[in-house]
Amino acid sequence: GAVVSQHPSRVICKSGTSVKIECRSLDFQATTMFWYRQFPKQSLMLMATSNEGSKATYEQGVEKDKFLINHASLTLSTLTVTSAHPEDSSFYICSARKGPNEKLFFGSGTQLSVL
Amino acid sequence: AQRVTQPEKLLSVFKGAPVELKCNYSYSGSPELFWYVQYSRQRLQLLLRHISRESIKGFTADLNKGETSFHLKKPFAQEEDSAMYYCALSSGNTGKLIFGQGTTLQVKP
Repeated sequence: GAVVSQHPSRVICKSGTSVKIECRSLDFQATTMFWYRQFPKQSLMLMATSNEGSKATYEQGVEKDKFLINHASLTLSTLTVTSAHPEDSSFYICSARKGPNEKLFFGSGTQLSVL
Repeated sequence: AQRVTQPEKLLSVFKGAPVELKCNYSYSGSPELFWYVQYSRQRLQLLLRHISRESIKGFTADLNKGETSFHLKKPFAQEEDSAMYYCALSSGNTGKLIFGQGTTLQVKP
């Protein structure tokens, strides 16, 4: 099956710094990628939809300036958590699909810890 | 509002026992429903989707529009079925998924 690679798997940073998380589709071109956030023992919450070559669509309540998403190519989307604070500590997961009605493939997630 | 509810956080059964993981949804249109599974230390992966009406690893799920449910069932649980199971709903063609809270299935030997 298709593979989605997410990097890094774990990152620890100081409060106030920015962190970039990469999501790559290794063997297919992903027209759409999604970013989710998961708190411990809670469900995945969709943060934004990323379409190649256009601006990301953010879900209600998600700060665009806080969570910068770039989908510059059909195989790469990045999520940058700007000026991270301890409350941003969470598990971030990306998913990607080839096109409409196609199966979604998930990355292995990134555990962000902000000190 | 669109919502997916999985009432059980943990379901513990013995090997060979039947399993039913409950999922109820709230959606005004025609939803597409999925079950995703996450085995220990692995990424989330699709188990089945209601449109395909297929059985994967012995699991089946029937969409009941009257009861707005999409319960996941398996007649005889195996130890390797132990995992976290998420029910999810997709609206339209966007690919956006709304996840339930997840149910941990524990199959004891």
